Amino acid sequence: QKEVEQNSGPLSVPEGAIASLNCTYSDRVSQSFFWYRQYSGKSPELIMSIYSNGDKEDGRFTAQLNKASQYVSLLIRDSQPSDSATYLCAVIGSSNTGKLIFGQGTTLQVKP
Amino acid sequence: DAGVIQSPRHEVTEMGQEVTLRCKPISGHNSLFWYRQTMMRGLELLIYFNNNVPIDDSGMPEDRFSAKMPNASFSTLKIQPSEPRDSAVYFCASSFLGPRSYEQYFGPGTRLTVT
Repeated sequence: QKEVEQNSGPLSVPEGAIASLNCTYSDRVSQSFFWYRQYSGKSPELIMSIYSNGDKEDGRFTAQLNKASQYVSLLIRDSQPSDSATYLCAVIGSSNTGKLIFGQGTTLQVKP
Repeated sequence: DAGVIQSPRHEVTEMGQEVTLRCKPISGHNSLFWYRQTMMRGLELLIYFNNNVPIDDSGMPEDRFSAKMPNASFSTLKIQPSEPRDSAVYFCASSFLGPRSYEQYFGPGTRLTVT
């Protein structure tokens, strides 16, 4: 079992819809969770971090964390074509040394 | 504020040559990470430093790879000798590690092609 799992997609949504990206992790002790966005040919860009159970909202983005289910998700409201990218889920391992473990990423396509 | 700076942005070299990638972390950050990204393997952590000290190099693929961080504002990743399978994008990231503070910020990357 991979430590951080994501559906590779592509996930295709129409412009204006809500895009829902999901991630599961295997280490029950993990405490810190991150979402990165990566445009083709560019570097990963941090868009959300979440440390506590529940929801965290930032503009059109909402991160949701459920530690009991070992599940973290990213919702993008009012999706725009400019949101088309690969979204990487990352988790701090149980060692808590700052080492991020990345999922393989989900490719999102927002169609006009 | 300047982000993480990497050089060169592109490197094309022949098999057997030495390659040196450079990174300047964000000022004030205490941790630095070297990653490699390929289509097949995704984003892999190679090595990371905390306060200029290597903490975990378990991701370094083999002895041909080495990394140094002589001071808080500079790090190098060296491949000697290079091989075609080393072709990838190499990212450097930095972070200020503290209680509940683990956000990493990535540089633009170096695209390495070994022919």
